[in-house]
Amino acid sequence: AAGVIQSPRHLIKEKRETATLKCYPIPRHDTVYWYQQGPGQDPQFLISFYEKMQSDKGSIPDRFSAQQFSDYHSELNMSSLELGDSALYFCASSPPVGEQYFGPGTRLTVT
Amino acid sequence: QKEVEQDPGPLSVPEGAIVSLNCTYSNSAFQYFMWYRQYSRKGPELLMYTYSSGNKEDGRFTAQVDKSSKYISLFIRDSQPSDSATYLCAMSANTGGFKTIFGAGTRLFVKA
Repeated sequence: AAGVIQSPRHLIKEKRETATLKCYPIPRHDTVYWYQQGPGQDPQFLISFYEKMQSDKGSIPDRFSAQQFSDYHSELNMSSLELGDSALYFCASSPPVGEQYFGPGTRLTVT
Repeated sequence: QKEVEQDPGPLSVPEGAIVSLNCTYSNSAFQYFMWYRQYSRKGPELLMYTYSSGNKEDGRFTAQVDKSSKYISLFIRDSQPSDSATYLCAMSANTGGFKTIFGAGTRLFVKA
């Protein structure tokens, strides 16, 4: 069965640089969620989109922005990167009502 | 107080034991309850999904939801070393969005 696809899987950036993470949801899933997970932490909700509109917002810094495109894929844009942004970033997708399925994650390292 | 409380463990059991993992929550609006298994540096994998109260069984896994007590459980029968992972409970409510709140995760070690 198709799963959530995330790219890149690993990303190394320097402080103050910009990063873009991509997420391709499971076919026919129209809701996408972004999470940040630090070492030993549970996933922290950042933002979600339903039918290309932002549906909910969590603890997403103002330096981050995201959008969902017409093909339902989503991109998380992170600017002015800080050392503390180093984490695993997960995307999850779900149908309008139901459980979320997570992608493999993007490991971002900021040096 | 966090919306979802979960003992982070670690929990260490011998192979073949029955494992009980639990979460409590404070928001009575939660309707959807999930258990995820996460291996180190991997994405959370959905194990069980329950809507409202009741029990659900899938192989060696049983999920229970008691909305009156705001308490959910995951039981693992005949635990295996391959079950060693972090188990996250998660729950969400239909309040205009489906933001999911996760527990802190319980680290489980199953010893051969």
